Amino acid sequence: KQEVTQIPAALSVPEGENLVLNCSFTDSAIYNLQWFRQDPGKGLTSLLLIQSSQREQTSGRLNASLDKSSGRSTLYIAASQPGDSATYLCAVSPIDGGATNKLIFGTGTLLAVQP
Amino acid sequence: NAGVMQNPRHLVRRRGQEARLRCSPMKGHSHVYWYRQLPEEGLKFMVYLQKENIIDESGMPKERFSAEFPKEGPSILRIQQVVRGDSAAYFCASSPTGGFRRNTEAFFGQGTRLTVV
Repeated sequence: KQEVTQIPAALSVPEGENLVLNCSFTDSAIYNLQWFRQDPGKGLTSLLLIQSSQREQTSGRLNASLDKSSGRSTLYIAASQPGDSATYLCAVSPIDGGATNKLIFGTGTLLAVQP
Repeated sequence: NAGVMQNPRHLVRRRGQEARLRCSPMKGHSHVYWYRQLPEEGLKFMVYLQKENIIDESGMPKERFSAEFPKEGPSILRIQQVVRGDSAAYFCASSPTGGFRRNTEAFFGQGTRLTVV
Protein backbone atom coordinates (compact mmCIF):
# COMPACT_ATOMS: atom_id res chain seq x y z
CA LYS A 1 0.00 0.00 0.00
CA GLN A 2 1.40 3.35 -1.04
CA GLU A 3 2.18 5.72 1.80
CA VAL A 4 3.52 9.24 1.52
CA THR A 5 5.41 10.91 4.35
CA GLN A 6 6.59 14.49 4.61
CA ILE A 7 9.29 15.74 6.91
CA PRO A 8 9.41 18.07 8.74
CA ALA A 9 5.78 18.58 9.72
CA ALA A 10 6.50 22.24 10.41
CA LEU A 11 9.35 24.59 9.62
CA SER A 12 10.06 28.19 10.55
CA VAL A 13 12.85 30.10 8.85
CA PRO A 14 13.94 33.73 8.55
CA GLU A 15 13.34 35.52 5.29
CA GLY A 16 16.02 34.98 2.66
CA GLU A 17 17.01 31.47 3.67
CA ASN A 18 17.14 28.61 1.24
CA LEU A 19 15.20 25.59 2.44
CA VAL A 20 14.41 22.00 1.57
CA LEU A 21 11.19 20.10 2.12
CA ASN A 22 11.25 16.33 2.01
CA CYS A 23 8.76 13.78 0.73
CA SER A 24 9.12 10.01 0.77
CA PHE A 25 6.89 7.31 -0.68
CA THR A 26 6.90 3.56 -0.18
CA ASP A 27 6.11 2.26 -3.66
CA SER A 28 8.16 3.41 -6.64
CA ALA A 29 5.45 2.42 -9.14
CA ILE A 30 4.17 5.91 -9.83
CA TYR A 31 3.18 7.91 -12.89
CA ASN A 32 4.23 11.22 -11.41
CA LEU A 33 4.73 13.24 -8.27
CA GLN A 34 3.28 16.67 -7.63
CA TRP A 35 4.01 19.39 -5.15
CA PHE A 36 1.12 21.60 -4.09
CA ARG A 37 0.76 24.69 -1.97
CA GLN A 38 -2.23 25.17 0.33
CA ASP A 39 -2.94 28.49 2.00
CA PRO A 40 -5.10 28.53 5.15
CA GLY A 41 -8.75 28.03 4.28
CA LYS A 42 -7.94 27.91 0.59
CA GLY A 43 -7.64 25.31 -2.12
CA LEU A 44 -4.58 23.62 -3.57
CA THR A 45 -2.30 25.24 -6.08
CA SER A 46 -0.13 22.94 -8.16
CA LEU A 47 3.50 24.05 -8.02
CA LEU A 48 5.45 21.42 -9.89
CA LEU A 49 4.75 18.05 -11.50
CA ILE A 50 7.56 15.59 -12.10
CA GLN A 51 6.91 12.67 -14.39
CA SER A 52 8.32 9.30 -13.36
CA SER A 53 10.94 9.48 -16.10
CA GLN A 54 12.19 12.89 -14.98
CA ARG A 55 14.70 13.80 -12.30
CA GLU A 56 13.69 17.37 -11.56
CA GLN A 57 11.52 20.32 -12.46
CA THR A 58 12.08 24.02 -11.90
CA SER A 59 9.76 26.99 -11.68
CA GLY A 60 11.16 30.31 -10.58
CA ARG A 61 12.61 29.94 -7.09
CA LEU A 62 11.29 26.40 -6.79
CA ASN A 63 13.10 23.23 -7.74
CA ALA A 64 11.74 19.75 -7.19
CA SER A 65 13.74 16.58 -7.57
CA LEU A 66 12.62 12.98 -7.83
CA ASP A 67 14.57 9.84 -7.01
CA LYS A 68 12.03 7.16 -7.79
CA SER A 69 14.25 4.22 -6.90
CA SER A 70 14.75 5.46 -3.35
CA GLY A 71 11.21 6.78 -3.04
CA ARG A 72 12.18 10.37 -2.34
CA SER A 73 11.46 13.85 -3.57
CA THR A 74 12.66 17.21 -2.36
CA LEU A 75 11.28 20.67 -2.89
CA TYR A 76 13.94 23.35 -2.76
CA ILE A 77 12.85 26.94 -2.19
CA ALA A 78 15.50 29.57 -2.81
CA ALA A 79 15.61 32.95 -1.09
CA SER A 80 12.44 32.37 0.89
CA GLN A 81 9.92 35.18 1.34
CA PRO A 82 7.09 35.73 3.84
CA GLY A 83 4.66 35.13 0.97
CA ASP A 84 5.96 31.56 0.75
CA SER A 85 4.33 30.80 4.10
CA ALA A 86 1.82 28.02 3.51
CA THR A 87 1.40 24.26 3.78
CA TYR A 88 3.26 22.33 1.12
CA LEU A 89 1.80 19.01 0.06
CA CYS A 90 3.42 16.20 -1.86
CA ALA A 91 1.28 13.71 -3.79
CA VAL A 92 2.02 10.69 -5.96
CA SER A 93 -0.03 9.18 -8.74
CA PRO A 94 0.30 5.41 -8.24
CA ILE A 95 0.33 2.83 -11.00
CA ASP A 96 -2.11 0.50 -9.36
CA GLY A 97 -3.47 -1.24 -12.41
CA GLY A 98 -6.94 0.03 -11.76
CA ALA A 99 -9.19 2.02 -14.03
CA THR A 100 -8.03 5.24 -12.49
CA ASN A 101 -5.15 6.83 -10.74
CA LYS A 102 -5.92 8.77 -7.65
CA LEU A 103 -3.41 10.95 -5.88
CA ILE A 104 -1.97 9.78 -2.58
CA PHE A 105 -1.11 12.79 -0.42
CA GLY A 106 1.32 13.34 2.37
CA THR A 107 0.18 15.26 5.44
CA GLY A 108 2.18 18.30 4.46
CA THR A 109 4.86 20.62 5.80
CA LEU A 110 3.66 23.87 7.38
CA LEU A 111 6.17 26.55 6.42
CA ALA A 112 6.45 29.92 8.14
CA VAL A 113 8.90 32.47 6.75
CA GLN A 114 9.60 35.18 9.28
CA PRO A 115 10.17 38.72 7.95
CA ASN B 1 -11.05 29.80 -18.58
CA ALA B 2 -12.38 29.63 -15.07
CA GLY B 3 -10.84 27.11 -12.75
CA VAL B 4 -12.60 24.35 -10.88
CA MET B 5 -15.54 25.95 -9.11
CA GLN B 6 -16.94 24.58 -5.89
CA ASN B 7 -19.93 25.84 -3.97
CA PRO B 8 -20.78 26.62 -1.39
CA ARG B 9 -17.42 27.58 0.08
CA HIS B 10 -18.73 27.10 3.59
CA LEU B 11 -21.66 24.96 4.68
CA VAL B 12 -23.09 24.50 8.15
CA ARG B 13 -25.48 21.64 8.81
CA ARG B 14 -27.11 20.28 11.93
CA ARG B 15 -26.68 16.63 12.75
CA GLY B 16 -29.12 14.55 10.71
CA GLN B 17 -29.48 17.02 7.84
CA GLU B 18 -28.30 16.49 4.29
CA ALA B 19 -25.29 18.23 2.75
CA ARG B 20 -24.96 18.78 -1.01
CA LEU B 21 -21.62 19.92 -2.35
CA ARG B 22 -21.23 21.03 -5.95
CA CYS B 23 -18.26 20.98 -8.27
CA SER B 24 -18.06 22.44 -11.76
CA PRO B 25 -14.93 21.19 -13.53
CA MET B 26 -12.75 23.31 -15.74
CA LYS B 27 -14.05 23.85 -19.24
CA GLY B 28 -13.27 20.83 -21.39
CA HIS B 29 -12.69 18.53 -18.41
CA SER B 30 -14.94 15.49 -18.14
CA HIS B 31 -13.18 13.74 -15.23
CA VAL B 32 -13.85 14.70 -11.63
CA TYR B 33 -12.29 13.55 -8.37
CA TRP B 34 -13.50 14.23 -4.86
CA TYR B 35 -11.14 14.34 -1.87
CA ARG B 36 -11.75 14.88 1.82
CA GLN B 37 -9.39 16.61 4.23
CA LEU B 38 -10.19 15.88 7.85
CA PRO B 39 -8.77 18.20 10.51
CA GLU B 40 -5.05 17.53 11.06
CA GLU B 41 -5.04 14.86 8.33
CA GLY B 42 -3.98 14.70 4.72
CA LEU B 43 -6.26 14.67 1.73
CA LYS B 44 -7.88 11.32 1.07
CA PHE B 45 -9.36 10.18 -2.23
CA MET B 46 -13.08 9.51 -2.16
CA VAL B 47 -14.46 8.99 -5.66
CA TYR B 48 -13.64 9.37 -9.35
CA LEU B 49 -16.37 10.12 -11.86
CA GLN B 50 -16.72 10.67 -15.55
CA LYS B 51 -19.85 12.11 -17.08
CA GLU B 52 -22.77 9.91 -15.98
CA ASN B 53 -20.44 7.23 -14.61
CA ILE B 54 -18.82 6.40 -11.29
CA ILE B 55 -15.44 4.92 -12.15
CA ASP B 56 -13.91 4.36 -8.73
CA GLU B 57 -15.63 4.89 -5.40
CA SER B 58 -13.17 2.91 -3.31
CA GLY B 59 -12.61 5.84 -0.94
CA MET B 60 -16.26 6.57 -0.25
CA PRO B 61 -17.77 5.58 3.08
CA LYS B 62 -20.23 2.76 2.48
CA GLU B 63 -23.19 4.55 3.97
CA ARG B 64 -24.69 8.03 3.72
CA PHE B 65 -22.30 9.25 1.00
CA SER B 66 -23.06 9.34 -2.71
CA ALA B 67 -21.75 11.15 -5.75
CA GLU B 68 -22.96 11.86 -9.25
CA PHE B 69 -21.78 13.67 -12.33
CA PRO B 70 -24.74 14.12 -14.67
CA LYS B 71 -24.55 14.78 -18.38
CA GLU B 72 -25.47 18.38 -17.72
CA GLY B 73 -24.54 20.38 -14.67
CA PRO B 74 -22.02 20.05 -11.87
CA SER B 75 -20.84 17.01 -10.00
CA ILE B 76 -22.63 16.59 -6.68
CA LEU B 77 -21.32 15.00 -3.50
CA ARG B 78 -24.23 14.21 -1.21
CA ILE B 79 -23.96 13.35 2.45
CA GLN B 80 -27.13 12.20 4.12
CA GLN B 81 -27.82 12.37 7.85
CA VAL B 82 -24.59 14.19 8.58
CA VAL B 83 -22.69 13.55 11.81
CA ARG B 84 -20.01 15.63 13.52
CA GLY B 85 -17.30 13.37 12.08
CA ASP B 86 -18.24 14.52 8.59
CA SER B 87 -16.91 18.00 9.37
CA ALA B 88 -14.03 18.46 6.94
CA ALA B 89 -12.91 20.27 3.83
CA TYR B 90 -14.09 18.59 0.65
CA PHE B 91 -12.07 19.27 -2.47
CA CYS B 92 -12.88 18.56 -6.06
CA ALA B 93 -10.32 18.18 -8.84
CA SER B 94 -10.78 17.84 -12.57
CA SER B 95 -8.72 16.64 -15.50
CA PRO B 96 -9.22 16.50 -19.25
CA THR B 97 -8.29 12.85 -19.48
CA GLY B 98 -8.65 9.79 -17.33
CA GLY B 99 -6.63 9.56 -14.18
CA PHE B 100 -3.63 11.66 -13.51
CA ARG B 101 -1.40 9.91 -15.95
CA ARG B 102 2.09 11.14 -16.70
CA ASN B 103 1.99 14.86 -17.46
CA THR B 104 -1.67 15.46 -16.70
CA GLU B 105 -1.87 17.94 -13.88
CA ALA B 106 -4.46 17.92 -11.16
CA PHE B 107 -6.51 21.11 -10.97
CA PHE B 108 -8.22 21.60 -7.65
CA GLY B 109 -11.08 23.80 -6.55
CA GLN B 110 -11.10 26.01 -3.46
CA GLY B 111 -12.98 23.41 -1.47
CA THR B 112 -16.15 23.34 0.57
CA ARG B 113 -15.73 23.49 4.32
CA LEU B 114 -18.50 21.54 5.97
CA THR B 115 -19.22 22.10 9.63
CA VAL B 116 -21.72 19.84 11.37
CA VAL B 117 -23.15 21.29 14.57
